Amino acid sequence: NAGVTQTPKFQVLKTGQSMTLQCAQDMNHEYMSWYRQDPGMGLRLIHYSVGAGITDQGEVPNGYNVSRSTTEDFPLRLLSAAPSQTSVYFCASSYRGSTEAFFGQGTRLTVV
Amino acid sequence: TQLLEQSPQFLSIQEGENLTVYCNSSSVFSSLQWYRQEPGEGPVLLVTVVTGGEVKKLKRLTFQFGDARKDSSLHITAAQPGDTGLYLCAAKSTGGGNKLTFGTGTQLKVEL
Repeated sequence: NAGVTQTPKFQVLKTGQSMTLQCAQDMNHEYMSWYRQDPGMGLRLIHYSVGAGITDQGEVPNGYNVSRSTTEDFPLRLLSAAPSQTSVYFCASSYRGSTEAFFGQGTRLTVV
Repeated sequence: TQLLEQSPQFLSIQEGENLTVYCNSSSVFSSLQWYRQEPGEGPVLLVTVVTGGEVKKLKRLTFQFGDARKDSSLHITAAQPGDTGLYLCAAKSTGGGNKLTFGTGTQLKVEL
């Protein structure tokens, strides 16, 4: 049972480049979310999904897009990377109605 | 936006010492969680507290939910180097669903 798998683990982008951070879970969780973690700020919610085909914005959605075509996958797209998006990104999943979130190992992104 | 303030932000102690970490808010929460995060990993759930005044123990860790459900504390007895990590409190956000608001985090280092 792999849990929540994120790829890649590390990425360096140039300003203006685009990329997709992948997230997959094998626990059949309805709820998936993306957070970014910056020093001294905890984790901040970017986007979330309550099920396939349904997504919504979190606290800091600007510059990011998501889609949820299957229960298992929830990719996060950076359309035009900016240095302010340098951060560690975490994907999480949970059962509907449960707040116990299971996290991936994170993707460390640097935008230069 | 609900805010969760944690204190202290950093804590460096010797093995065997006791410590307490605090999580405070002006909002009332239906439940509150504590996560621990180790370097290079995602957060892992330690406990969920639900009832005002509730106390839960997990080996040397004691978690308390305030009577008014606005604050929580984590007390570690006889800290060990294996307790080193980032401790995060989290609460279910208003608006329903599984959205979590995370605290700012407490970085704990336990030295021999």
